[in-house]
Amino acid sequence: AQSVTQLDSQVPVFEEAPVELRCNYSSSVSVYLFWYVQYPNQGLQLLLKYLSGSTLVKGINGFEAEFNKSQTSFHLRKPSVHISDTAEYFCAVSRMDSSYKLIFGSGTRLLVRP
Amino acid sequence: ETGVTQSPTHLIKTRGQQVTLRCSSQSGHNTVSWYQQALGQGPQFIFQYYREEENGRGNFPPRFSGLQFPNYSSELNVNALELDDSALYLCASSTSGGAGDTQYFGPGTRLTVL
Repeated sequence: AQSVTQLDSQVPVFEEAPVELRCNYSSSVSVYLFWYVQYPNQGLQLLLKYLSGSTLVKGINGFEAEFNKSQTSFHLRKPSVHISDTAEYFCAVSRMDSSYKLIFGSGTRLLVRP
Repeated sequence: ETGVTQSPTHLIKTRGQQVTLRCSSQSGHNTVSWYQQALGQGPQFIFQYYREEENGRGNFPPRFSGLQFPNYSSELNVNALELDDSALYLCASSTSGGAGDTQYFGPGTRLTVL
């Protein structure tokens, strides 16, 4: 079975400061990794995903994430956040040998303060 | 690119009733998945349909059922509603349902069971 742990339920940060949202996963098989963002009263939007290749993945809105296989981590980073980045962020995995489901973490609420 | 729509936006039902939620996928997307997101939690996979056939199911009882139609629309039906069914229900569509495919989420239907 697979599981995803997002270590921080809420991360407060000041505008223009850097931020890192942590994600660790557990799986006995190889997985793909995803970060999604959910703005209030909206569905989930894909920020970035890791399928293969370079372990540093760049996504939309200036976010990037680094896959670390030995640490089974996929932390999300942004060098300078904006008020508009305030949202819920979800890390997710899917098995490489399975076609049908994303397994999500419990989410991290990023709260950007002026 | 998004374009997944869901209806209704909000719904209030009483325990024991039945409910049907609807989703319209992007044109050309043969796969639709449904997720349940309880308050403060990450989405949980309910099931996936590929070309009108159920392609995988999560840990949900049989009173959760679905249909997918040739016109890229789909339904989630829940019978004998329970209080714990109160949640945001999300549908997501993708082209082929492959493990690395991007799933495009709709805005969700908020179901409240009283």
